[in-house]
Amino acid sequence: QKEVEQNSGPLSVPEGAIASLNCTYSDRVSQSFFWYRQYSGKSPELIMSIYSNGDKEDGRFTAQLNKASQYVSLLIRDSQPSDSATYLCAAPHGSGNTGKLIFGQGTTLQVKP
Amino acid sequence: GAVVSQHPSRVICKSGTSVKIECRSLDFQATTMFWYRQFPKQSLMLMATSNEGSKATYEQGVEKDKFLINHASLTLSTLTVTSAHPEDSSFYICSADDRYNEQFFGPGTRLTVL
Repeated sequence: QKEVEQNSGPLSVPEGAIASLNCTYSDRVSQSFFWYRQYSGKSPELIMSIYSNGDKEDGRFTAQLNKASQYVSLLIRDSQPSDSATYLCAAPHGSGNTGKLIFGQGTTLQVKP
Repeated sequence: GAVVSQHPSRVICKSGTSVKIECRSLDFQATTMFWYRQFPKQSLMLMATSNEGSKATYEQGVEKDKFLINHASLTLSTLTVTSAHPEDSSFYICSADDRYNEQFFGPGTRLTVL
């Protein structure tokens, strides 16, 4: 059973709209979550990390964490065609401080001009 | 964010040869580095965890004798694909863990085995 789940999409939004990407996780003890962006043919790039319940904003990006519901999301405001990519949600893998992450399958976002 | 480099970015080799990929953390010391493989249209697959000065920890199903990992310093880890075969063709990506437990990825190495 996968520990981090994402809808693979594609999620298509018009330019300027808000894109909402969702992720659920099964490990209740996870304390930190990460959102990565991966362009086609490139490696992942860390765009947000969140450790506490609530919202964390960074520019056009807002990460939302709800530990009770085991749910983390990423909102992208004023979406641009350059935001078109696959977004990966990640959480620490298992117990212990190994640093290992488990990744979701990723959600492909398409922002249409 | 922290910067991780990877070399080479692309390599084409003949079946049976060995290929070495280097991963360097440029502006921080990484006690732990990770090696991933990604096939087209698939998610990242963790191959092994590399700790400076100790043996790597391999994920289930990854052959440690085929994928040799060395982490000789706090800024360098290497992955050697030994006796490569066409099925080893993939996108290999390393990442380094900073002291805040955030992973930063290198740009990846695209390996093609003929």
